Amino acid sequence: GAVVSQHPSWVICKSGTSVKIECRSLDFQATTMFWYRQFPKQSLMLMATSNEGSKATYEQGVEKDKFLINHASLTLSTLTVTSAHPEDSSFYICSARRGEPQHFGDGTRLSIL
Amino acid sequence: QQQVKQSPQSLIVQKGGISIINCAYENTAFDYFPWYQQFPGKGPALLIAIRPDVSEKKEGRFTISFNKSAKQFSLHIMDSQPGDSATYFCAASMLGAGNQFYFGTGTSLTVIP
Repeated sequence: GAVVSQHPSWVICKSGTSVKIECRSLDFQATTMFWYRQFPKQSLMLMATSNEGSKATYEQGVEKDKFLINHASLTLSTLTVTSAHPEDSSFYICSARRGEPQHFGDGTRLSIL
Repeated sequence: QQQVKQSPQSLIVQKGGISIINCAYENTAFDYFPWYQQFPGKGPALLIAIRPDVSEKKEGRFTISFNKSAKQFSLHIMDSQPGDSATYFCAASMLGAGNQFYFGTGTSLTVIP
């Protein structure tokens, strides 16, 4: 089946630093990639939708200057959490889609100290 | 506004029993309904999906029942096993790579031996 690789799986960093998370579709070209945030025991909250070569579309309430998304190619999207603070600590998950269905990465656990 | 409503929030089933999770939606434009399974610390994985032109789809022990007129769909897990213990999310979407998935709130399933 389709594989989406997300890296790193876990990152701990100090408050004020920026963190980059990579999402790669390994065996297919994804026309669209999505970034989600998930709090413990809650559903996935869509942060943004990105299409290759164009600017990401952010959901209401998501700061685009805080969460920078770059969709450089049909197989790679990155999420950069800029000037991260403890409240940004969360589980971030990417997904990739070309037609149906949507395939998810294994998530990145981000902990800001 | 929650586009997809899911119940129950949690479910405990004996090994060998049937687990049933229900979802309801409002937008009649939705035409793709997947179920995802998520284990702790992992991203969601596609379990089974259905389109509204059929009323039921079965894959192994997993069955989706779909009621278009009632705008409801459900996941049935037959012969539930402890390894099925996970969180299950239903979702709904409109066909088209750029269209987002609307997820239910999730059901935490525990199968006790």
